[in-house]
Amino acid sequence: QKEVEQDPGPLSVPEGAIVSLNCTYSNSAFQYFMWYRQYSRKGPELLMYTYSSGNKEDGRFTAQVDKSSKYISLFIRDSQPSDSATYLCAMRAGGYQKVTFGTGTKLQVIP
Amino acid sequence: NAGVTQTPKFRILKIGQSMTLQCAQDMNHNYMYWYRQDPGMGLKLIYYSVGAGITDKGEVPNGYNVSRSTTEDFPLRLELAAPSQTSVYFCASSFLESRGGSGANVLTFGAGSRLTVL
Repeated sequence: QKEVEQDPGPLSVPEGAIVSLNCTYSNSAFQYFMWYRQYSRKGPELLMYTYSSGNKEDGRFTAQVDKSSKYISLFIRDSQPSDSATYLCAMRAGGYQKVTFGTGTKLQVIP
Repeated sequence: NAGVTQTPKFRILKIGQSMTLQCAQDMNHNYMYWYRQDPGMGLKLIYYSVGAGITDKGEVPNGYNVSRSTTEDFPLRLELAAPSQTSVYFCASSFLESRGGSGANVLTFGAGSRLTVL
């Protein structure tokens, strides 16, 4: 079993839709949860991060962590064509710098 | 402020050849990493370093070597290239955790080096 599972997609939605991206994990030591966005032929860039359980909102993006279910989500409201990219979840345990990534979900927002 | 710079951007190697992927960061980050990204496989950690002179293996270190003689540079050496090493390689860096919780979570990636082994 992989430590981090993520549906690779692709996920295709119309402009303005609400997008839900999800990851599950098996390592209960993970405490820091991140979402990276990667445009085609570019390096990943950090979108959001959360510590432990709870929600975090940043503009049209909301990250949720449910540690009891080992499940994290990223919601994108009012999706835009510029949101078309691959979204990678990432996580790590406290006190360590090794980050484990999901496989990424490819999102396409159609105008 | 250049961030993380990787060279070369593209390279084609023949089986058995060797080469070094260069990575440099100008943010004074303690931690540096090498990942490879294969289609549908996400990012796999090859090697990482917590500071100059200190390196450690990640998930997929076989066929690679690293060194970290300075804070800024973290080259990745491929010895005896094999077709299985065809991939996109990303170098990244981050702060030491004690310097701030948010900074420790932010990996800054380079633009990638696309390697093909034929």
